[in-house]
Amino acid sequence: SQKIEQNSEALNIQEGKTATLTCNYTNYSPAYLQWYRQDPGRGPVFLLLIRENEKEKRKERLKVTFDTTLKQSLFHITASQPADSATYLCALDDAGANNLFFGTGTRLTVIP
Amino acid sequence: EAGVAQSPRYKIIEKRQSVAFWCNPISGHATLYWYQQILGQGPKLLIQFQNNGVVDDSQLPKDRFSAERLKGVDSTLKIQPAKLEDSAVYLCASSLELAGGETQYFGPGTRLLVL
Repeated sequence: SQKIEQNSEALNIQEGKTATLTCNYTNYSPAYLQWYRQDPGRGPVFLLLIRENEKEKRKERLKVTFDTTLKQSLFHITASQPADSATYLCALDDAGANNLFFGTGTRLTVIP
Repeated sequence: EAGVAQSPRYKIIEKRQSVAFWCNPISGHATLYWYQQILGQGPKLLIQFQNNGVVDDSQLPKDRFSAERLKGVDSTLKIQPAKLEDSAVYLCASSLELAGGETQYFGPGTRLLVL
């Protein structure tokens, strides 16, 4: 069966440290993978997209890696801040289809 | 640029009643999506429109759920009759076009509680 698993439901880290979130998938063949941020009571907000032929993508303090052999994406937030506290969702397509499949999310809390 | 608008924000109904949600996508966005997000889970696609045509409704429980996008702009999602397990947040999203990797812009969602 198809699965998208994000490493843990909740992750707590100290301010200033690097947060690393994991997304593993089974029985999908994604052409691209996206990461979204969701705050309580709000819809998800797009952060980054990485394509299957890209190993790494960066945007300010965010970095995403994509390993199609391991079927895994890692999402890093460097120099984390309390304002980074939110739920982070990974989403991917299947074989280039236009719809997205979402993971269950990881709730990140950055402690001052 | 105005974002995706949804209404109502909250709705409480009893089981077997009907309910409708409304979505106004970002101006010029051809593709519109309805998702269901159950507490503690990621969004699950219910239906996807390209202009006023349905692209994918394979996950839509068609015995009770229906959706339309008559003029290729606004959309409504209806549940009739509602069940307890329909309690969730219903998210509407839009994207500029129907293409792989397109960024989806989400509305704030409608939180539905079925008693």
